[in-house]
Amino acid sequence: AQSVTQLGSHVSVSEGALVLLRCNYSSSVPPYLFWYVQYPNQGLQLLLKYTTGATLVKGINGFEAEFKKSETSFHLTKPSAHMSDAAEYFCAVTEGNTGFQKLVFGTGTRLLVSP
Amino acid sequence: EAGVTQFPSHSVIEKGQTVTLRCDPISGHDNLYWYRRVMGKEIKFLLHFVKESKQDESGMPNNRFLAERTGGTYSTLKVQPAELEDSGVYFCASSRSWDFRDTQYFGPGTRLTVL
Repeated sequence: AQSVTQLGSHVSVSEGALVLLRCNYSSSVPPYLFWYVQYPNQGLQLLLKYTTGATLVKGINGFEAEFKKSETSFHLTKPSAHMSDAAEYFCAVTEGNTGFQKLVFGTGTRLLVSP
Repeated sequence: EAGVTQFPSHSVIEKGQTVTLRCDPISGHDNLYWYRRVMGKEIKFLLHFVKESKQDESGMPNNRFLAERTGGTYSTLKVQPAELEDSGVYFCASSRSWDFRDTQYFGPGTRLTVL
């Protein structure tokens, strides 16, 4: 079965600093990878996804992630944090090869941004 | 276009009682998913509907959980009788197709507390 590991349940950065949220996955088949964000009192919102093609994926709000097959990683980055980026971030991978989309999530990383 | 909506937003019940959660997907989305997040752990898949049919219910914890999607529109998830370990946030998501590349749109979740 596929699994996702997010290192660090909480990450703290200062406004303007680099954001790096780590995600490693295990999969026996080529994975499709996703980052979702949850702002307070809202549903999960898709930030970006990797399916095929270019391994550097750009998402909304200035976030990007790079698929590195050799490292089984899909880390999320943003060059300069804003206060509005404070939220919980979830990495996910599709499971199985059945053609039906079932997401397997990591435990989430809460990003704290200080002034 | 309205997003995925869930009702209620919060529910507090006593152990042994019954609770029914409702999800209204985005109009025109044939695929509907239920997920659950228990106490800071990962978000876990429960089941997947394609229209009114259960495509995959491999994540349903036990037979105290019953999901329905009559008419292929909204879905309900009933827990009867509720146990303490059922507490958590229940998310619903919908997508237009089951293709891996199609985005799942999530609702804000229902926070269930079983006392």
